[in-house]
This record gives sequence, C-alpha cells and structure tokens, in this order.
Amino acid sequence: GQSLEQPSEVTAVEGAIVQINCTYQTSGFYGLSWYQQHDGGAPTFLSYNALDGLEETGRFSSFLSRSDSYGYLLLQELQMKDSASYFCAVRDILTGGGNKLTFGTGTQLKVEL
Amino acid sequence: DARVTQTPRHKVTEMGQEVTMRCQPILGHNTVFWYRQTMMQGLELLAYFRNRAPLDDSGMPKDRFSAEMPDATLATLKIQPSEPRDSAVYFCASGLVERLNNEKLFFGSGTQLSVL
Repeated sequence: GQSLEQPSEVTAVEGAIVQINCTYQTSGFYGLSWYQQHDGGAPTFLSYNALDGLEETGRFSSFLSRSDSYGYLLLQELQMKDSASYFCAVRDILTGGGNKLTFGTGTQLKVEL
Repeated sequence: DARVTQTPRHKVTEMGQEVTMRCQPILGHNTVFWYRQTMMQGLELLAYFRNRAPLDDSGMPKDRFSAEMPDATLATLKIQPSEPRDSAVYFCASGLVERLNNEKLFFGSGTQLSVL
C-alpha cells in the first residue's frame, strides 16, 4: 500500500517563505504531486515531480528526492490568499494500471499579517 | 474553460435511501477518479476508470457502493442503502494520461452529502 506523511498545520506571516514537507512509502513510486484546496473548494493541481530536483512555477516550487522518499513544496512571498490546505499525492505505478493517485492527509497553511 | 461538472452540489437524505452522484469529465480526458473527503480520513480514493474501464475500486465498500461509466461523458457513484457514516464530500476528478508522466487531475466542485 501507500502512506504519506505531512505536517497537519503550518503558520507563517505574509511575505515569508514556508516549506511543507512530505515523506512517502509506496511500492511502485512514480511521481509526487501537490494540490491546493481552499475551504469549501476543490483541490487544484500545483506541481508534479517525477525526477529528483526542484521544479519552479512562479512563487511555488516543488522538490523531490527519490532516494529519501521525500519531497517538499516551497511557497515564497506568501500572500493571504495562500491560506489553504496543501496535499501531496503519490502515483503508484504497480497497482491499478499505474494511475492510482493517493493523497496525504493535508497541511493546513495559515498566513497571518 | 473546460471543467469537471458534478451534480448535485448538495444532497441531504435519510438513512436507507439511494443516492446517485453524477460527474461529467472534461471532454477528451481518459481517466476518471472518485474521491471521498472527510475531516478524519482526508481524501480517500474510492474508484477510478481509464478509458471507461474500472481499474481499481478497492477503496469502495462494495456492499453498498457502485461506480460506473455508462459512456465517456458520464460517471456515476451510487450508494444503496446510504448510512450516516457516508456523510462526506465526494469529488470526481478527470485527467488525460497518454504518457505515464502526465499527472494533472482536474477536480469537480464536489457533492456534499449528508445522510441523516
């Protein structure tokens, strides 16, 4: 099976940088994704890493280390609108035709003034 | 903008009643997922389809839940009979997986189900 661990809550101030970590265990790891979900809303895709290293998209970056089964999401120049839950998710290539996407329990980010 | 459409947005029903949730995936997408979200369990994968074929429904209670894709434009999730513990937000998501590195899923707005 798969398991993912991420902190339940993180608080930071506007303009700061915050890192949300994710460690995972899966038998057939293929890639790590990040999704954002505002209260009452639907998850929306942020980034995907299949290879080791850093992927940058605007203020958001995502990092993966396959050897450490670890990744993180880095949010820079935090804004109030970044207050949301952030989920990491792993693709398992060995089960269900290689499309099974399992989500972590989510990290609630609170951005304060 | 292309979007995943889910109906109904909200459903309140009594225990024992049948509940049907519908999802229209984005045109051209070949994978459809059903997730259930609760405070306690987070986002749980219930079932998913690729090219309308069910690939994995191991997360779904088989005695009361069923998921189908009668055609490429419609996916359904049924609960019969419903129970209070089924109260949750049910999300449908679709994606286009042509290569294994195509990862982006698009989620619908969800169906908030309350079983009394």
